[in-house]
Amino acid sequence: QKEVEQDPGPLSVPEGAIVSLNCTYSNSAFQYFMWYRQYSRKGPELLMYTYSSGNKEDGRFTAQVDKSSKYISLFIRDSQPSDSATYLCAMKGGEAGANSKLTFGKGITLSVRP
Amino acid sequence: GAVVSQHPSWVICKSGTSVKIECRSLDFQATTMFWYRQFPKQSLMLMATSNEGSKATYEQGVEKDKFLINHASLTLSTLTVTSAHPEDSSFYICSAPGLAGNSYNEQFFGPGTRLTVL
Repeated sequence: QKEVEQDPGPLSVPEGAIVSLNCTYSNSAFQYFMWYRQYSRKGPELLMYTYSSGNKEDGRFTAQVDKSSKYISLFIRDSQPSDSATYLCAMKGGEAGANSKLTFGKGITLSVRP
Repeated sequence: GAVVSQHPSWVICKSGTSVKIECRSLDFQATTMFWYRQFPKQSLMLMATSNEGSKATYEQGVEKDKFLINHASLTLSTLTVTSAHPEDSSFYICSAPGLAGNSYNEQFFGPGTRLTVL
């Protein structure tokens, strides 16, 4: 079993739809959870960052972490064509040092149809 | 947010030649940088951790003699792909952790370098 599993997709939705993206993980040491957005042929950009369990909202984006189920989600409300990209979940343990590594999901490609 | 740049953004080379990719932190110092490679429709695979002033730490299965990493200053790390072959063609991305409070919990990624080996 991989440390981080992410639905492979691809996912295609109409403009305005609510999108739900999910990852599961097996390492209970993970404490920090991130969602990155990557446009084609570009580097990933940090979208949401959450520590431990709970919800975090930023505009149209909501990140949820359920550590008891080892499950994280990203919700996108009122999806726009500009949201079309690959979304990667990433997580790391509680180490505070600069050398602490991220573990990534495989990524899911989202396409929002006008 | 912190900005990380990479150069070149795109390079084509002949098989057997060496290619150097630069990663720079533009507005912050990075004692550590990470190098990833990404194949089409695949996730990021960590290759190595680059530390300023010391040897890089390579992930299992990554040839350190083929992928030379030099982190000579607090703002620059370089990855040299030596004797490149077509199977080395990939998207190479660097990142640097940013300090927030007392923890390095965010990583800022460069725009990537697309390497094509003919």
